[in-house]
Amino acid sequence: AQKITQTQPGMFVQEKEAVTLDCTYDTSDPSYGLFWYKQPSSGEMIFLIYQGSYDQQNATEGRYSLNFQKARKSANLVISASQLGDSAMYFCAMREGEVTGGGNKLTFGTGTQLKVEL
Amino acid sequence: DTGVSQDPRHKITKRGQNVTFRCDPISEHNRLYWYRQTLGQGPEFLTYFQNEAQLEKSRLLSDRFSAERPKGSFSTLEIQRTEQGDSAMYLCASSERGPSLGYTFGSGTRLTVV
Repeated sequence: AQKITQTQPGMFVQEKEAVTLDCTYDTSDPSYGLFWYKQPSSGEMIFLIYQGSYDQQNATEGRYSLNFQKARKSANLVISASQLGDSAMYFCAMREGEVTGGGNKLTFGTGTQLKVEL
Repeated sequence: DTGVSQDPRHKITKRGQNVTFRCDPISEHNRLYWYRQTLGQGPEFLTYFQNEAQLEKSRLLSDRFSAERPKGSFSTLEIQRTEQGDSAMYLCASSERGPSLGYTFGSGTRLTVV
């Protein structure tokens, strides 16, 4: 079974609008972390936001917020006030075993290509 | 420190040749990871080092692949007898110890096997 599922291969949003990118995950580990990364066409992976499974509040970083619904095993990324520079591939990822001091590998979804239009 | 550096950025090689990629992590990071990303997919984990010790290898890392981190600083990933299926972006990342910190990725090495 897929550990990270991103069901939206592509999304369009108008500049200045908000957009939600979906991510669901599957794990039996009670301790895990969820990440979102942005990958522009240049190829580098840029860390955006992190949510730990025991965090009580949803994570926020500037225009990025993570809508964490633990019971539904979803960790959707919300980008507010979209900008043209937000056009990129967005990946959701999970790391299991957080309590042991940080697991090691990240497991990534297949990504969502976001295009911001004027 | 300017981040994670990978060299070369692009590599074109003939099938059957050996290739080696280098990764220089952020100096204070003791963890180093290699990932492979094919077109339209997310990165897939290959292997992980803590200092010079290789602690985990994916089954994706066939016996044609070998990775080293001899002094706990830079790392190399070698692919022997390359195949067309090895064509991909090879990403290196580093991190400090700790559960909440994101990895810092390099810009990757794009390998094309012809």
